[in-house]
Amino acid sequence: EDQVTQSPEALRLQEGESSSLNCSYTVSGLRGLFWYRQDPGKGPEFLFTLYSAGEEKEKERLKATLTKKESFLHITAPKPEDSATYLCAVQARGSARQLTFGSGTQLTVLP
Amino acid sequence: NAGVTQTPKFQVLKTGQSMTLQCAQDMNHNSMYWYRQDPGMGLRLIYYSASEGTTDKGEVPNGYNVSRLNKREFSLRLESAAPSQTSVYFCASSEIAGTQPQHFGDGTRLSIL
Repeated sequence: EDQVTQSPEALRLQEGESSSLNCSYTVSGLRGLFWYRQDPGKGPEFLFTLYSAGEEKEKERLKATLTKKESFLHITAPKPEDSATYLCAVQARGSARQLTFGSGTQLTVLP
Repeated sequence: NAGVTQTPKFQVLKTGQSMTLQCAQDMNHNSMYWYRQDPGMGLRLIYYSASEGTTDKGEVPNGYNVSRLNKREFSLRLESAAPSQTSVYFCASSEIAGTQPQHFGDGTRLSIL
């Protein structure tokens, strides 16, 4: 059974204090790993897709990396507007349609 | 550009009542999905439709039915609502079922008393 575990559950940072969120996964052959951002009362918003170990993607202050067992979302010099819940999901090769989501990391960036 | 639109945004039902959640996308996507999101748990797939005219069960289909009305619209029906179905329901769509990212609506918050 595919599993995704995200840590920490919640993270509070001061503005400008860089950190990383972790997504550990077990899957029978990774087809893709997805990062989403979710604001309160909204649906998840797509950020990145990673396909193979060693791959990296960047967008503004966010950088996602992938190994064979986990993915990291690095946040550099965060701002209050980066506050949100960040979700990780995996898609297995044998399951062309279904995503397995983690329960998310709630990030709060204090001014 | 609306993307994925869900109606209603909020609903309160009594146990045993039925209702249909509506979802429409304007991105000409082939695949559509219904998820539920509960506190402390990840999004869980209820049903999906890989293409117009097809539907398949996801991880938690019991108590739900779906209809892919046309390429744009995918509805979720609760025939006899139960308190365990209190949740936030999200509809999503993707260009094809595969590694394309899924785009989500803003959800329907459903409470069953």
